[in-house]
This record gives sequence, C-alpha cells and structure tokens, in this order.
Amino acid sequence: DAKTTQPPSMDCAEGRAANLPCNHSTISGNEYVYWYRQIHSQGPQYIIHGLKNNETNEMASLIITEDRKSSTLILPHATLRDTAVYYCIVNSGYSTLTFGKGTMLLVSP
Amino acid sequence: EAGVAQSPRYKIIEKRQSVAFWCNPISGHATLYWYQQILGQGPKLLIQFQNNGVVDDSQLPKDRFSAERLKGVDSTLKIQPAKLEDSAVYLCASSLATWGEQYFGPGTRLTVT
Repeated sequence: DAKTTQPPSMDCAEGRAANLPCNHSTISGNEYVYWYRQIHSQGPQYIIHGLKNNETNEMASLIITEDRKSSTLILPHATLRDTAVYYCIVNSGYSTLTFGKGTMLLVSP
Repeated sequence: EAGVAQSPRYKIIEKRQSVAFWCNPISGHATLYWYQQILGQGPKLLIQFQNNGVVDDSQLPKDRFSAERLKGVDSTLKIQPAKLEDSAVYLCASSLATWGEQYFGPGTRLTVT
C-alpha cells in the first residue's frame, strides 16, 4: 500500500472547520483513501473513504485532488468531542489497513 | 446494533506469565482482526481471520502469540510467555468481508511488569 504523510498535530477552535491534510503521492489507481479516528482510550472509528470523487457523510467531507496525490478531511463544525488522532490510510480495499502515527487534532473552546 | 466486544479491558501480569484476550465481533461479520497498539503508535495488524481460517498472520510473533477463531465467531488471542515489550493495547476489529470499513472494539490494555 502507498505511504501517507500527515502533520503530527493540529489545533482548531470549537465551531470552526477542521481541515486535516494528507499526502499520498505514490497512490495507485485502484487504491482508496480511508480516514479513521481514535478518541482517547477507544478503538479507531471509521470516518469516510473515497477513490476519486469528493465524498460527504454525516461525519465529514473528503476532498481528493485531481491527481489523487493528496486529500483533505474536513470536519465542518468541530466540537470538543472531535479531539482525537486522525489516521489517513491508502488501501486497495482488499488488503489490511496499515496505520501510521496520524494527526493529533486538539479542538479547544 | 451491538459493537465489537472485548474482555478484559485491563490486565496486569508479570513477565513470563501467560494471558488471554477474548473478542466477540459484530454479528454476521466474517472477517476478524487482532491489532497491537504500542503507546504513541498506530495499531499494527497481528492476525486476520476470514470465518475460522487465517488470512494473514505474517506479523504475529508465533513463538509466543497464538490466536484462534473457533466456529467463525468469537476469537481468543493468547500470549505465552509474556515479555515487557508486549505491554500495549490489543484491539479486535471486524468487517463484513475482507474489504471495506472495519469496526473496532474498545481494546484490552495489557501491562507486563
């Protein structure tokens, strides 16, 4: 699976949009971009995934660049409960997930 | 819908002792995973089952770790004998098939002294 690069930490004010970047310059044509998050003392939680097109669900939006070499996870109105480690994973969908260190997002009042 | 259940939530043992963890996946999920998460790192896959067969155990330290999934439902992960470096959170996850999103349990925090 392609390797991803994420900033180690980010801050966001409560109520504002949180934009989490991810670089995946070696992504293959059949690989998806998955996002999971892990709140302290809990197991990881699936957020969203996409292949080429932008995706939106009740939790977040995923914006993938046209060349697919990077993506951004957007939490439109961050709350304190969104404080977590966010993992960007590139995966064909049929192979196992390989987690990096992710981005620690701290949402402050 | 009930989530992935794991027990115990916490376990403290001395090195060279043995320990076992239990996982009950989401009903109907054919694929079950065990991950090890060391403090400050992302989860690392130890073993993946499809029903009761092993799909991938390439990162399982087979000299001390073993896992089984009898009848394709519940699973147990065992460590014997434990080492200090086995201190970690052990996460169980399940998915409908060998692809798609995985659903994780709360994990078992193991401390080896």
